[in-house]
Amino acid sequence: DADVTQTPRNRITKTGKRIMLECSQTKGHDRMYWYRQDPGLGLRLIYYSFDVKDINKGEISDGYSVSRQAQAKFSLSLESAIPNQTALYFCATSPNTGDPTKNTGELFFGEGSRLTVL
Amino acid sequence: GQNIDQPTEMTATEGAIVQINCTYQTSGFNGLFWYQQHAGEAPTFLSYNVLDGLEEKGRFSSFLSRSKGYSYLLLKELQMKDSASYLCAGYSWGKLQFGAGTQVVVTP
Repeated sequence: DADVTQTPRNRITKTGKRIMLECSQTKGHDRMYWYRQDPGLGLRLIYYSFDVKDINKGEISDGYSVSRQAQAKFSLSLESAIPNQTALYFCATSPNTGDPTKNTGELFFGEGSRLTVL
Repeated sequence: GQNIDQPTEMTATEGAIVQINCTYQTSGFNGLFWYQQHAGEAPTFLSYNVLDGLEEKGRFSSFLSRSKGYSYLLLKELQMKDSASYLCAGYSWGKLQFGAGTQVVVTP
């Protein structure tokens, strides 16, 4: 079983619909991230969370919201989906060792959620 | 903020060597990552450099110069399965910022 699980893996929806992408992890990591990937643009950070009570905007947070329900769960919502939100979305986790000099930042990715907005 | 630049595509022959360069401009820089990503799949970790110098891992090596804001990934003895996108990412303030990726095409 995957350590970082994303659901759904594929979703087709219509403009204006509300969509939630869910991420759960069994790695015990404090830090969780949502990225989107578009051809030619690489991975861009949407939101990130360093612990349950911490939520931070990334470089492209407009049109998105997140919820960190527990250490193991981090969900991404599109309140009113639009076609330019069609992309491959990745959730990722990273451990926090408690020692800033030892937090390497390595990310462990889920398998991705492909979202198409018509 | 950060700016990560790497070439869009490189082509090489099976058995050859390819070097993928990456330049970065970032505040609070604390390390440089390389990930491999096959089409439609999640990125997988290849290497991490925090100090200047060369890190070698089998057929893959990664180099970092912090003073020059420069890194490269060296792929030796290329195999067909190495055809993939290679992502350079800078680590700062608890986050990774990725370049657009370099698509490596390995030909027979």
